[in-house]
Amino acid sequence: TQLLEQSPQFLSIQEGENLTVYCNSSSVFSSLQWYRQEPGEGPVLLVTVVTGGEVKKLKRLTFQFGDARKDSSLHITAAQPGDTGLYLCAGAETGGFKTIFGAGTRLFVKA
Amino acid sequence: NAGVTQTPKFQVLKTGQSMTLQCAQDMNHNSMYWYRQDPGMGLRLIYYSASEGTTDKGEVPNGYNVSRLNKREFSLRLESAAPSQTSVYFCASRALGDPNQPQHFGDGTRLSIL
Repeated sequence: TQLLEQSPQFLSIQEGENLTVYCNSSSVFSSLQWYRQEPGEGPVLLVTVVTGGEVKKLKRLTFQFGDARKDSSLHITAAQPGDTGLYLCAGAETGGFKTIFGAGTRLFVKA
Repeated sequence: NAGVTQTPKFQVLKTGQSMTLQCAQDMNHNSMYWYRQDPGMGLRLIYYSASEGTTDKGEVPNGYNVSRLNKREFSLRLESAAPSQTSVYFCASRALGDPNQPQHFGDGTRLSIL
């Protein structure tokens, strides 16, 4: 069974600070996706990384896929209160239809 | 707005009651999924339908059944609800069977079993 472990589970920081969220597995995935979920809503896709070593930037968010395609990280620069939410990483099953989700990192950014 | 619509948004059931959660998407997607989300456990796949006419078990299928009614609709049924099924249920769809494509989620059904 493929598993994805996210760390930290919970993070509370001040506005302007930087942070990194990690997503690790012992399995290889064909791609890694990062979703953000707000209270009362479903997850919304932020980015998909497909190639080992790939780095993608989305404004203040930087996503990296590990060289071996087993892990990924999300770095937020100068966090803002609007970044508050639950961040989920999700690995696409190699050769299948399913996606495996991590347990999520709940981020609070205080003004 | 186009997207995934789930009904109902909230439901309270007594142990042993049955109910069906409805999901419809209007994006002409082939694949549809049902997940449950519990605190500290992320999203766990219950059942999925890779394409119209097919359904398969996910990680936690016990106590649930599904029906892919047509390309748009994918329902989840609890035949005899148990307190362990108290959760938030999300339906999702994907354009192709390719798991590298993004999933589009509904806003969830919050289900409490007393």
